[in-house]
Amino acid sequence: ILNVEQSPQSLHVQEGDSTNFTCSFPSSNFYALHWYRWETAKSPEALFVMTLNGDEKKKGRISATLNTKEGYSYLYIKGSQPEDSATYLCAFSGGYNKLIFGAGTRLAVHP
Amino acid sequence: SQTIHQWPATLVQPVGSPLSLECTVEGTSNPNLYWYRQAAGRGLQLLFYSVGIGQISSEVPQNLSASRPQDRQFILSSKKLLLSDSGFYLCAWKGASSNTGELFFGEGSRLTVL
Repeated sequence: ILNVEQSPQSLHVQEGDSTNFTCSFPSSNFYALHWYRWETAKSPEALFVMTLNGDEKKKGRISATLNTKEGYSYLYIKGSQPEDSATYLCAFSGGYNKLIFGAGTRLAVHP
Repeated sequence: SQTIHQWPATLVQPVGSPLSLECTVEGTSNPNLYWYRQAAGRGLQLLFYSVGIGQISSEVPQNLSASRPQDRQFILSSKKLLLSDSGFYLCAWKGASSNTGELFFGEGSRLTVL
């Protein structure tokens, strides 16, 4: 059974704080690691897809790193804003056709 | 552009009743299709996926079934719902030739079984 773990489960920060979350996944049979943002009342949307060990991706104030050898990825948010409030999901792909999701990290950014 | 729709958005059903959730994709051909469920306080659990018409892979043994009668239609069903079937169901698609494997999700269907 493939296990994808995310921590913390939830996080409350103040506007302007920087924060980061962790995703751990199986280090064998790695194909890709995805990060999604899931805002309330909306559908999950992809932030990043990473495939190579050492990958770093950035989109505005959000960035992610990948270590496939040890099986972890970090998502960083610099200078959190209230609109960053969402659940952040990571998903592991060990093959081409399916993604296994973690339970997510719920982020609340307070003004 | 591609779009994905699923319905109904909300459903309240008694235990033992049947279920049918539908999902359709527009603007693409031969997509990979997926059903996920989020139970209360938990992550997204992959239920079924399909790489083509009539081809269904089941990820977990359960009370549910899936069918793909047409290329861009994916249906989640149950003959008799259980309380444990309550949850938020998401349909998703991926291009069959997509290198990134990025999923595109529908709006979701919230099922409450009473």
